[in-house]
Amino acid sequence: DGGITQSPKYLFRKEGQNVTLSCEQNLNHDAMYWYRQDPGQGLRLIYYSQIVNDFQKGDIAEGYSVSREKKESFPLTVTSAQKNPTAFYLCASSGERFYGYTFGSGTRLTVV
Amino acid sequence: SQQGEEDPQALSIQEGENATMNCSYKTSINNLQWYRQNSGRGLVHLILIRSNEREKHSGRLRVTLDTSKKSSSLLITASRAADTASYFCATDGHFTGNQFYFGTGTSLTVIP
Repeated sequence: DGGITQSPKYLFRKEGQNVTLSCEQNLNHDAMYWYRQDPGQGLRLIYYSQIVNDFQKGDIAEGYSVSREKKESFPLTVTSAQKNPTAFYLCASSGERFYGYTFGSGTRLTVV
Repeated sequence: SQQGEEDPQALSIQEGENATMNCSYKTSINNLQWYRQNSGRGLVHLILIRSNEREKHSGRLRVTLDTSKKSSSLLITASRAADTASYFCATDGHFTGNQFYFGTGTSLTVIP
């Protein structure tokens, strides 16, 4: 079955640590996205990539980094510079612009 | 920000009733999408409506778009307990490429 796999489902980070969230898709989609969701708020775009080896900042990129070395993979690193990282992180992909996004099941990151 | 806003923020109805939720946005769009999110899960794409369309149906879902009022509505007919979820609209724009901006969502509770 085609889809997007995010791992881990739950992640705990200590102050000052970098952590990496995994996102893998087997849909052969060109574009991939990372969103952050806070309680009671909508999704906010962190980074997106429309092609391998290229990515753009979204609205809240500060404190985050990404890479796109393979079409299937778009990992997100939450760096120590992100002061309020506790949130639900969602990865998405799209093949054709007019058919919507396919989302992963999310990673819940908590700072301990 | 181009972020859409859903109204109402929360809606509670009896099973079998219809549920209507609205989305307003600020700037011209190419496409508007509706998504469903069950608690703690990723978003599921429901329907996409293009700026030159006024109404679209998918099963028990009916979406309308009024570009003159910059608004859209999602109607769920004959609601079921399984429809309990949050519903989000997402809009793109003429100058945002493949970026879609999400609203804050409507939380729907269907009481059996």
